[in-house]
Amino acid sequence: DTEVTQTPKHLVMGMTNKKSLKCEQHMGHRAMYWYKQKAKKPPELMFVYSYEKLSINESVPSRFSPECPNSSLLNLHLHALQPEDSALYLCASSRQGPTNEKLFFGSGTQLSVL
Amino acid sequence: AQSVTQPDIHITVSEGASLELRCNYSYGATPYLFWYVQSPGQGLQLLLKYFSGDTLVQGIKGFEAEFKRSQSSFNLRKPSVHWSDAAEYFCAVGATSGTYKYIFGTGTRLKVLA
Repeated sequence: DTEVTQTPKHLVMGMTNKKSLKCEQHMGHRAMYWYKQKAKKPPELMFVYSYEKLSINESVPSRFSPECPNSSLLNLHLHALQPEDSALYLCASSRQGPTNEKLFFGSGTQLSVL
Repeated sequence: AQSVTQPDIHITVSEGASLELRCNYSYGATPYLFWYVQSPGQGLQLLLKYFSGDTLVQGIKGFEAEFKRSQSSFNLRKPSVHWSDAAEYFCAVGATSGTYKYIFGTGTRLKVLA
């Protein structure tokens, strides 16, 4: 299994809603990442978990709350988002981490905030 | 700190024609270098990577890239483009020590004419 699975694929939420994005990998990777990608832009790193501990937070607003329940799962909890938070949210993993070696990406969750 | 530049925002080629996408990097030592491809609404897939050794690296889908230290370049090439190659291509550079964070280029959108 060489996949990173993200659910849901699409999400529409209001500014007062609470929702969560889920990411799962079964490759035994020890680092997992959240990226945000706006249209026609490169991915921007948000968070990195290494061995289930948060190791990098790129000054992301507190309305985004990551969680790593175990080495295979990564969640991103969303609350009181703004319309400008609409984007493609990508999860990635790597064998070790944090690392500059190969990243395996999921297909993303397309988020629309109304 | 490392940086990466992709000078071409858009490139259009005819199917069967050759392709070269440019990537220039800035880093004090030999960096980790990558090319990723992204189809619309999808995650990123690694095409190839360079860490050390042979400066001509082969990747998936018939792509290759050449590391040229003297020019600080890592250009992606393909001898004959297929319509399915239409996508966004990102060059990325990773530091070999210190901050473990990829830097992605701004991307090159490839259009393939039938």
